[in-house]
Formats: sequence, structure tokens, C-alpha cells
Amino acid sequence: DAKTTQPNSMESNEEEPVHLPCNHSTISGTDYIHWYRQLPSQGPEYVIHGLTSNVNNRMASLAIAEDRKSSTLILHRATLRDAAVYYCILSRLNNAGNMLTFGGGTRLMVKP
Amino acid sequence: EPEVTQTPSHQVTQMGQEVILRCVPISNHLYFYWYRQILGQKVEFLVSFYNNEISEKSEIFDDQFSVERPDGSNFTLKIRSTKLEDSAMYFCASQKGGGEIEQFFGPGTRLTVL
Repeated sequence: DAKTTQPNSMESNEEEPVHLPCNHSTISGTDYIHWYRQLPSQGPEYVIHGLTSNVNNRMASLAIAEDRKSSTLILHRATLRDAAVYYCILSRLNNAGNMLTFGGGTRLMVKP
Repeated sequence: EPEVTQTPSHQVTQMGQEVILRCVPISNHLYFYWYRQILGQKVEFLVSFYNNEISEKSEIFDDQFSVERPDGSNFTLKIRSTKLEDSAMYFCASQKGGGEIEQFFGPGTRLTVL
């Protein structure tokens, strides 16, 4: 599986936008870029995914570089509830499903 | 909103004992997964299950582990003879399939092996 690189931690102020970067220079053409997050003492939670184009949903936006070697998860207005570990994961789809390989992620701290 | 449920929330067992962790995936989902997370470490993939058979498994998922979907609604993970190093949070996840690739995770079962 192609690897991803994320900063260990980031800090943000409440109500401000947050840009969480992810590098994936060895991404292959069939790899989807997924973002999950894990709030304290909870299971991982899906945030967003994309392949080539930027994506928006009710939780966040995903900006994908033109060469696909990096991506950025954007939380438009961070709240205290967004404090979590955010994982950027590459996964190929096949008939077997898509096994997720979690790295260390970025621990996002949100200050009031 | 439908959700994945897991029971028990916490299981304590003695080394060498068998444990069964239970999950109820979302009802119209086709793909099922088990992951584990040792305290302070990364979430690790164990196994995926589709069409009533294992579709992928990791090196962690050795002969001591097995999965089953006994009745069309439950999805279980059995550890035959638990070791101290099996102590972890075990997360079940399900995925609808058919182009829907989002995995929905349960709240986890904390397994403590003494």
C-alpha cells in the first residue's frame, strides 16, 4: 500500500478554518484518498474521500493536488468537537472491499 | 441513523481462554471488517468478509482468529486461546458496497487479557 505522511499534531482556534495536509507521493492511479477521524475513546469515523477532483460534503472539503501527490482536508470552522486524530489513508477498491491501513494521523487540538 | 453496534463494550478474560466479540453491522451492508487498536498505537486491519467468506486478512489474523456471520445479522470475531498481547480495542466496521466505500465503525469492544 502507498504510504501517507501527515504532521503529528496541529493546533487551531475555534471558529477558524483548519487545513490538514497529507503527502502521498507514491500514490497510484487507482488509489482513493480517504480521510477518517477518531474522537477520543471512539471508533474511527468517515470524513470524506476523493479520487482526482476536489470534494465537499457536510463535514469537510478535500482538496487534491493536480498530480495527486498531496491532499488537504479542510474544516471550514473548527469546533471543540472537531478535536480528534485525523487519518489520511490510500486504498484501492476491489471486489474484496477496501482494507484501510491507518498511520499515525494528525492530532488536531482546538483551542476555545 | 443506522449504526454499527458491538457487544460487549468491555470483556475481561484469562490468558488461554476463548472469547467471542459480537458486532451487528448496518442491515443492508455487504462488506464487514474487524480492526484492532492496542492502547496508544495505530488502528490495525485484521480481516475483511464478503459474500460469506474472508476476502482479505492481515498477518495478525492467524489461526487463533476466526470470523463468522452465523445468522445474517451478527458478525463475530473469535479468538481461540487469548494471549496477553491480544489486549486491545476491537472495532467492527461495515460498508454498503456497490460504489459506496465509506466504512461505518462500531464503538469497539475493549478486550483485556489477564
